[in-house]
Amino acid sequence: ETGVTQTPRHLVMGMTNKKSLKCEQHLGHNAMYWYKQSAKKPLELMFVYSLEERVENNSVPSRFSPECPNSSHLFLHLHTLQPEDSALYLCASSQGPGPNAYEQYFGPGTRLTVT
Amino acid sequence: KQEVTQIPAALSVPEGENLVLNCSFTDSAIYNLQWFRQDPGKGLTSLLLIQSSQREQTSGRLNASLDKSSGRSTLYIAASQPGDSATYLCAVADRGSTLGRLYFGRGTQLTVWP
Repeated sequence: ETGVTQTPRHLVMGMTNKKSLKCEQHLGHNAMYWYKQSAKKPLELMFVYSLEERVENNSVPSRFSPECPNSSHLFLHLHTLQPEDSALYLCASSQGPGPNAYEQYFGPGTRLTVT
Repeated sequence: KQEVTQIPAALSVPEGENLVLNCSFTDSAIYNLQWFRQDPGKGLTSLLLIQSSQREQTSGRLNASLDKSSGRSTLYIAASQPGDSATYLCAVADRGSTLGRLYFGRGTQLTVWP
């Protein structure tokens, strides 16, 4: 256990559905990240939150909407997704900003399938 | 933009062999380099982190080296065991970013059979 949990672990949704992914960290960190891992690309950074403020949006389509209500919780709201959005979505946390931001602890991921 | 490449993409070996996994990156202005292990259903676990000023790091049977000028790192696994079977990812941190931006390779999928 890394201290980062993600729910659900598996999700199947249609293109017209709305769903949310949840991440929770129990490490006292103040930075949280969403990554996407698909079969065709390396692990890609999607969003970074530092001190509950979004500091980076890595050119992610608007059908992905992140939310960070506090330093322990991070959500990824999904709507009108495409089949190519099927992937493993990983959450991570760290003590950032600064050098410690690179020591990221990852959750187990949510395996998303869009039908 | 930093690009990270890992070779080989997959490796299958008998137990006991010594292994070398390779990682290369295009921009040598890095802050550090990490090797992660990814097990199915368990996310990523950091194995070794090498700062840009260091040449190598060791943890148990694992040794990682860094040659920043040539843009290369290797992960050496001694006396491999079936429990080492996993995907190994290399990640590079760019110098100057305080946000922890990491660039990952596609990984090497390792299978060690008894």
